[in-house]
Amino acid sequence: GAVVSQHPSWVICKSGTSVKIECRSLDFQATTMFWYRQFPKQSLMLMATSNEGSKATYEQGVEKDKFLINHASLTLSTLTVTSAHPEDSSFYICSARGGDAEAFFGQGTRLTVV
Amino acid sequence: QKEVEQNSGPLSVPEGAIASLNCTYSDRVSQSFFWYRQYSGKSPELIMSIYSNGDKEDGRFTAQLNKASQYVSLLIRDSQPSDSATYLCAVNMRTGANNLFFGTGTRLTVIP
Repeated sequence: GAVVSQHPSWVICKSGTSVKIECRSLDFQATTMFWYRQFPKQSLMLMATSNEGSKATYEQGVEKDKFLINHASLTLSTLTVTSAHPEDSSFYICSARGGDAEAFFGQGTRLTVV
Repeated sequence: QKEVEQNSGPLSVPEGAIASLNCTYSDRVSQSFFWYRQYSGKSPELIMSIYSNGDKEDGRFTAQLNKASQYVSLLIRDSQPSDSATYLCAVNMRTGANNLFFGTGTRLTVIP
């Protein structure tokens, strides 16, 4: 299958700081990228969908000013968690797809805010 | 009604048995269907795609699609403890890259 690389795989940051997570499609052009958050023993929760060159579409209840998503190219999307708080600690996962083909997931980023 | 529904389980089967995972979806014109496996603490990985009515086999996995009933299933033959994971059903509804909906997943445990 296609490869989606997500970086970093884990990060610890202080409360109030910002953290950027990168998601790259290595061998295909990702017209759409999705960002998810998953708390322990819970289901994936879609945060936002982004198309290359367009503003992201956020799911209800997700603060767009707190979770900044940039999808500037067909191979890279970034999620920035601004002014992180301990309740933002979670497993963040991106996925990418070209057209309406299968979506492939990155390895995930475990964020801990202390 | 949710777009994609799965029995959350947990589903427990003995080693060597057939595990059957089911999924229903709401949009009759959906065309693409996917099964993902997610191990605890890891991100989901794609295991099967199916687009046409009927069965599609890949090793011990068989995906079954019935568009008239809006139903897609995944059978795992000769279940192994390493198959213990959460299985996610995903459906691409109508055309468009944004229209990919996931079920909440079914937790499968294969008992040695």
